[in-house]
Amino acid sequence: QVKLLQSGAALVKPGDSVKMSCKASGYTFTDYIIHWVKQSHGKRLEWIGYINPYSGGTNYNEKFKSKATLTVDKSSSTAYMEFSRLTSEDSASYYCARAWWVMDAWGQGASVTVSS
Amino acid sequence: DVQMTQSPSYLAASPGESVSISCKASKSISNNLAWYQEKPGKANKLLIHSGSTLQSGTPSRFSGSGSGTNFTLTIRSLEFDDFAVYYCQQYNEYPITFGSGTKLEIK
Repeated sequence: QVKLLQSGAALVKPGDSVKMSCKASGYTFTDYIIHWVKQSHGKRLEWIGYINPYSGGTNYNEKFKSKATLTVDKSSSTAYMEFSRLTSEDSASYYCARAWWVMDAWGQGASVTVSS
Repeated sequence: DVQMTQSPSYLAASPGESVSISCKASKSISNNLAWYQEKPGKANKLLIHSGSTLQSGTPSRFSGSGSGTNFTLTIRSLEFDDFAVYYCQQYNEYPITFGSGTKLEIK
């Protein structure tokens, strides 16, 4: 069945970067785009952007354009998101989700805590 | 950005009852609206897309209605498995935006 397995929790220092992964299985990786979504504690879900694994094309939410970088490794069916210049505002859970036109399968989430 | 206003934020009901959750968009999104279920320790689950189309595997006690700016998720004959958090999401335009969530708890 379709699975999106995300990397584990990360504890990082302010100013650092973090790169999280989302390994897809159970379908042809290049047939669906991968979205990334942020959920801060007690706040609503925020769309970060998406990447098309087939073309490498990306589309970012303006809010995260200077913060997030999306990449893929087709050989391992894995999508990555790097978040840079981290602050306490970036402490959150991050989800990947595959989509044809709607997000129909989600990863289990990866928690990022930014603390000195 | 399209603002999604979801209500109520909290709902208490008993198994067997029916509940409805509202989602209003700040402008027309046609029927490009999805509903998701969030449960602790589980991946978010797509329940309904295109406003009213049940995703494969979604029980028929779930239904969605609406188009344009006003949408409703209705759950009939609540089962214990339904107590969770529900989100609406518009995918009519970028950036994709979500409602603030409705926590459905057992009364």
